[in-house]
Amino acid sequence: KAGVTQTPRYLIKTRGQQVTLSCSPISGHRSVSWYQQTPGQGLQFLFEYFSETQRNKGNFPGRFSGRQFSNSRSEMNVSTLELGDSALYLCASSPLGSGSSWHEQFFGPGTRLTVL
Amino acid sequence: KNEVEQSPQNLTAQEGEFITINCSYSVGISALHWLQQHPGGGIVSLFMLSSGKKKHGRLIATINIQEKHSSLHITASHPRDSAVYICAVPDMDSNYQLIWGAGTKLIIKP
Repeated sequence: KAGVTQTPRYLIKTRGQQVTLSCSPISGHRSVSWYQQTPGQGLQFLFEYFSETQRNKGNFPGRFSGRQFSNSRSEMNVSTLELGDSALYLCASSPLGSGSSWHEQFFGPGTRLTVL
Repeated sequence: KNEVEQSPQNLTAQEGEFITINCSYSVGISALHWLQQHPGGGIVSLFMLSSGKKKHGRLIATINIQEKHSSLHITASHPRDSAVYICAVPDMDSNYQLIWGAGTKLIIKP
């Protein structure tokens, strides 16, 4: 079974631009969660999607948005990029949604975003 | 105050040493996750436990729900164990959203 894939792996953008990141979960998994990881803050939860619906949302500004498609693939979008958005963005898939978060999450390799 | 605290933040040890990483939490939980992140960024789930002890190879995880504390032990440590170890707990008051510890950076020297 293929693991979680994320594209692109590396991305360089400039302030003010927008970016879209993609995550393909493990086949059969319906939940996709997104995390931001920075050296100073560690892993911060962005949002979780389950069956095309946002189930949970972290404390991030509205510039961060996401969606999930019927095939469970998910995208996250960041508009009006700021320098502080430079981070590793990780997605994780799970068979079940956050209501059953004691189930294991499988992480993708991440997308490293650099904002200049 | 962090709801999930790990200690130590950094740990350097010699190959073969017994390693202990601790995780304390303040929220009510149903289970706790231990994960491993290698320098390249990939994260692997090691354990998910809600009581007692679990063992996988040289890794052992224990949890004491009453004391809100979990430990991750590595026996006969090896340089390939060098990674960041992170614990995470689902917050039952926030629809089980995972709350992450800051991680423990482990370096095993040959």
